[in-house]
Formats: sequence, structure tokens, C-alpha cells
Amino acid sequence: AQSVTQLGSHVSVSEGALVLLRCNYSSSVPPYLFWYVQYPNQGLQLLLKYTSAATLVKGINGFEAEFKKSETSFHLTKPSAHMSDAAEYFCAVSGFGNNRLAFGKGNQVVVIP
Amino acid sequence: DAGITQSPRYKITETGRQVTLMCHQTWSHSYMFWYRQDLGHGLRLIYYSAAADITDKGEVPDGYVVSRSKTENFPLTLESATRSQTSVYFCASSDTAGTRNTGELFFGEGSRLTVL
Repeated sequence: AQSVTQLGSHVSVSEGALVLLRCNYSSSVPPYLFWYVQYPNQGLQLLLKYTSAATLVKGINGFEAEFKKSETSFHLTKPSAHMSDAAEYFCAVSGFGNNRLAFGKGNQVVVIP
Repeated sequence: DAGITQSPRYKITETGRQVTLMCHQTWSHSYMFWYRQDLGHGLRLIYYSAAADITDKGEVPDGYVVSRSKTENFPLTLESATRSQTSVYFCASSDTAGTRNTGELFFGEGSRLTVL
């Protein structure tokens, strides 16, 4: 079975500073990995995904994530935080051919002016 | 419009009443899911469906009933609502065709349910 660990439910970052959200996964099969973003009072939307092609994945709004098999990690980064990045971020994993995603508990990102 | 829509977006009900949350998708995705989102618990899977007339339990199915008579609709019913079912409910769908079968989910906007 797949699982995801996201540490630190709330993350504060200064405007213009690096955003780093950590995600570690557990999977018995080659995984597909996802980061979703949820803005207030909205549903989740896909930020980026890893599907066994390039290990460095670029997503929307300047975010990127790197798949590291040896570390079972898929950390999300953005070089310079904007106020509009304030949202909740979820990491998720699915196994090959498995249509059920396992979600982490999420990181609430607060951007400080 | 194409996409996945949920209704109602907001609902207030009383303990013991029956409530149905609707979900409709226009992509003909075979898989559909219901999640609930609560502080401290993230997203938890209630029920999912692999196709019309095929449903299965997720992590937290107690107190909920689903049906899927048509591919595009996946209603969630709370037969006798309890206060612990106050939550935000999200419907999602995914495509299983060929190389698109990555498990990527497409979410609705959510239905916020309050049980008094």
C-alpha cells in the first residue's frame, strides 16, 4: 500500500524567500507522485506530477519538484514566494495502474509580507 | 460546461435528516471518488467507483451510501446525518485510458456540510 508523509502542518515563508515543502512516500511499486494546491474555498488543482519520465518536474506558478528514489522523496520548491502562493498543498502517491491516491495531511503555507 | 460539478455548495441540516450531495462529470471518466476534508485529517476517502454499478468502500464509509447508475453521476447520501459528518466533501474523477492511467484526480469545488 502507498502512503505519504508531509511534516509541519503550517509553514510560514517571507515574500521573496524560498518555498520548500517536504514529501516522503512509501510504495511497493513504482510510484506516480503528485502535488496539489488548494486555495481558500476551492477544490484541489494539480500543481505538478511525476510519472516516471524526467525526475525534475516543473509545474504551474513557478513550482518544481524532484523525484529522488534513493530518498523516497518528492519535495516541492519555489525560488521566490509570492503572496498569491498562500494556500494548502497536498502531496499524493499512487502505484502503477492504481487509481487510488494516498494523500498527505497537507501543508498550510502562509506568506509574510 | 465541461468539468466536474458538485451541488449544493453549501448545506445546513439537522441531526437525523437525510442529505444527498450530488456530483456530475462531463469527461466520461470511469473512476469517481468521494473524499471528506477535516482539519488535522487531510483528505479521507469515503467511497469510490470504478464504473457504473461498481462501488467500493474507502477509509471512512460508515454512515454514507453511494450509487452510480450512470457513468457521469456519483451521488453521496448521508442516511441519518450526525454532527461528526460536518465537513467539506469533495468529489473527484480520474481517467483510466491507456497512458493517462496515472491516478491523477480532477476535483470538484467541494460541498460544505454543516450538521446541527
